[in-house]
This record gives sequence, structure tokens and C-alpha cells, in this order.
Amino acid sequence: EAQVTQNPRYLITVTGKKLTVTCSQNMNHEYMSWYRQDPGLGLRQIYYSMNVEVTDKGDVPEGYKVSRKEKRNFPLILESPSPNQTSLYFCASSLSGRPNYGYTFGSGTRLTVV
Amino acid sequence: AQSVTQPDIHITVSEGASLELRCNYSYGATPYLFWYVQSPGQGLQLLLKYFSGDTLVQGIKGFEAEFKRSQSSFNLRKPSVHWSDAAEYFCAVVGKAGNMLTFGGGTRLMVKP
Repeated sequence: EAQVTQNPRYLITVTGKKLTVTCSQNMNHEYMSWYRQDPGLGLRQIYYSMNVEVTDKGDVPEGYKVSRKEKRNFPLILESPSPNQTSLYFCASSLSGRPNYGYTFGSGTRLTVV
Repeated sequence: AQSVTQPDIHITVSEGASLELRCNYSYGATPYLFWYVQSPGQGLQLLLKYFSGDTLVQGIKGFEAEFKRSQSSFNLRKPSVHWSDAAEYFCAVVGKAGNMLTFGGGTRLMVKP
């Protein structure tokens, strides 16, 4: 089944403890992206990647890192999480950066930083 | 920069009634426009999209949307709402050469029996 898989689904952590949220897609998509969803703000893009080793900042990149060493994986790294990063995170992928191919979303990761 | 506004944060309709969710966008040219639905605890599912051509587009689950360039709008409609339509709906936009899909703040739909 074609899908975007995020892990974990739920995560509670403490301030300052580094964490990684994984994202993997099995569709050979070139484009991958991370969003965070907060009430009333919709989804805001954190980072995106047009292809392997090509990443760029979205609207809210502060406090996050990403890497794209292989096509299928696009992990989101929080080096020193803070409570304002408590949010629902979504990974998405697309065949290319071109919007007409559409975006496939993962099921989300709910992160709580205490 | 592109942006999307969904003026209604919450909407409640009775089952069987018609529905219209509003979406206004800001972009210099004709963008690509999308509507997504998010059921509780789920990811986002694409309902429909507009790229060009016929300004009335049909989607899944009986939804349709109409692109109106003069009003910079892309409103979502359904003639008869079902209880299972209760969810949050997001309008999104991306420019033809763009790499970023920009979402509105969402509209939460509740359906009364």
C-alpha cells in the first residue's frame, strides 16, 4: 500500500532532550515536507526537500533540523525541544515539487514537550 | 507571498442540509487550489483540487468547489450533509512554480442529527 509512515504517533518528552520523528514513504516520491498543526493556525510548513540532499526552510523552521540522505526517509530532528514545540506534526510527500501531483500525508505525530 | 483565509472557524449544520465552506486566497496569479479533510485523529485526505479549466470541480464524498477569480475564492459545497462529514476542512494553495503548500486555518464542521 502506498503510504507515508511516521513514527512515533505519540511522544511526550522533556525540555532539552533531543528527539527525532521519522518519516518514510514507499512511493519513490522526490518531494517531502514537514508541517506542524496548531489550533486556529492550520498547518504551517517547517522544512521541505525537493530531492536527496536538497532541503529548504518553510515558514516556521526555527528549532528544527531535517536531513535527506536517501529518497524514502525525511526525519525531523528537534535538538533541544521546548514547550512551544508541542504540536501535531505531519509529514507529506509528492512525486515531485510540482503541485499537480498532489500530496500524500502521514497520520501525524502528536508531540508534547513538558 | 501566498496566503489562505478561512473566515469560519466553526460551522454547525443539520444532517441533510446544504453546506458551504468559505475559502479566500491571496496570490498574484491563478494558483493551484485544494481542499483537504481531516477526521478526528487522522491525517489529511484530499477532497478535490483545481488547476485550470472548468471552474466547478467535483471531488470525493459528494463535495464540489467553485473557483471564482474575481472574488479570489474557492468555496467548498455539498448539497446534503451526512453525519460522517463532521471533520475539519482545510483549504490550501500553491503557486504554479511554488514548492510550498500553504493552508488556511481550517473550519471545523459539526453535524446535528
